[in-house]
Amino acid sequence: TQTVSQSDAHVTVFEGDSVELRCNYSYGGSIYLSWYIQHHGRGLQFLLKYYSGNPVVQGVNGFKAEFSKSDSSFHLRKASVHWSDSAVYFCAVSATGGNNKLTFGQGTVLSVIP
Amino acid sequence: AQTIHQWPVAEIKAVGSPLSLGCTIKGKSSPNLYWYWQATGGTLQQLFYSITVGQVESVVQLNLSASRPKDDQFILSTEKLLLSHSGFYLCAWSLAAEVFFGKGTRLTVV
Repeated sequence: TQTVSQSDAHVTVFEGDSVELRCNYSYGGSIYLSWYIQHHGRGLQFLLKYYSGNPVVQGVNGFKAEFSKSDSSFHLRKASVHWSDSAVYFCAVSATGGNNKLTFGQGTVLSVIP
Repeated sequence: AQTIHQWPVAEIKAVGSPLSLGCTIKGKSSPNLYWYWQATGGTLQQLFYSITVGQVESVVQLNLSASRPKDDQFILSTEKLLLSHSGFYLCAWSLAAEVFFGKGTRLTVV
């Protein structure tokens, strides 16, 4: 069984600050890890994914995430946030070779103060 | 370019009434299709997936059903709505572990 945990329900930062949104997972097999963003009342947009290779993956709009097998983590980071980054961020895991069923974390609400 | 269209954008329905939500994918042949449900302020949960026309697998039982009448169409329905069906319904398709979502349908059951 795959589980995904996002320990922070809410994160508030000022515009221009750096931010880290945390994600930890548990799964015994081969997986994909991904991050999605959901602006208020809208569908999800893909940010980035990791399967293998370089543990640091670059996504859109300056986001990047780092995979750590030892910590079972896939934290999302951005060096300098903009007010438009305010949204809910979901970490997700899916098993390779499966139906691409995404198991989502609870989501982290990022609020950026202008 | 692939596009995904969901309809309606929003619905307000009475308990016990029927429901039909639709999703169309254009620009992608034989996509894997999915329905996800999101409770207000909550996380997302996969409900159904389909890899081909006429074949639908149920992931979570919520007194809902899904059908895939055409290669590019995925329908979510029920004959009797419950209050617990309220939420945000998202259709999606996937390519190499990347999942693309529609804009969703906001359903309020009263």
